[in-house]
Amino acid sequence: GDSVTQMEGPVTLSEEACLTINCTYTATGYPSLFWYVQYPGEGLQLLLKATKADDKGSNKGFEATYRKETTSFHLEKGSVQVSDSAVYFCAPAYSGAGSYQLTFGKGTKLSVIP
Amino acid sequence: DVKVTQSSRYLVKRTGEKVFLECVQDMDHENMFWYRQDPGLGLRLIYFSYDVKMKEKGDIPEGYSVSREKKERFSLILESASTNQTSMYLCASRHGVRFNSPLHFGNGTRLTVT
Repeated sequence: GDSVTQMEGPVTLSEEACLTINCTYTATGYPSLFWYVQYPGEGLQLLLKATKADDKGSNKGFEATYRKETTSFHLEKGSVQVSDSAVYFCAPAYSGAGSYQLTFGKGTKLSVIP
Repeated sequence: DVKVTQSSRYLVKRTGEKVFLECVQDMDHENMFWYRQDPGLGLRLIYFSYDVKMKEKGDIPEGYSVSREKKERFSLILESASTNQTSMYLCASRHGVRFNSPLHFGNGTRLTVT
């Protein structure tokens, strides 16, 4: 079935360090790709998305590029802040019969220390 | 902004009790979902509903049922709570027309079954 593999955490970085969280997805069909973020004590919220190859999603200084050739959607940020401490989830969305069976990566917990 | 409201943030129930978790969304979304979130396991889909009175099993429906009598409300029912149902429960909704619409999550209900 459709699946997603996400870099395991936890990840601990100093403020202003660079961040990359790897995500690869099963190459079944042509999914749209999402990153969600979960801040402490809250539900998930959409961080960014991309709907076709070579699209770049961006928000709050985070970026991710839809790479069809490597089936990847890695999350990057050039300079993290303490307020970025959260759990990040990669999630592909497929059309068709499986469109309701949304699959999430297991989440990567990021801690940013001052 | 879409608001998804879960009725309780924290709930403590006894083994064997019938438990109701309520979720309400205010954006006329067709699709609604119930997930549970456990450390190391990520998000797992329990049930979803693509429209009023419609419901489908997700990946882990055993021990749960759902009700969708009105479009804005999606209830998760634990018929006879057990300790292995201690978890964080997340409700989400989505506009149903396009498969790549993002999910909107509530803040979660942390259920403890003793």
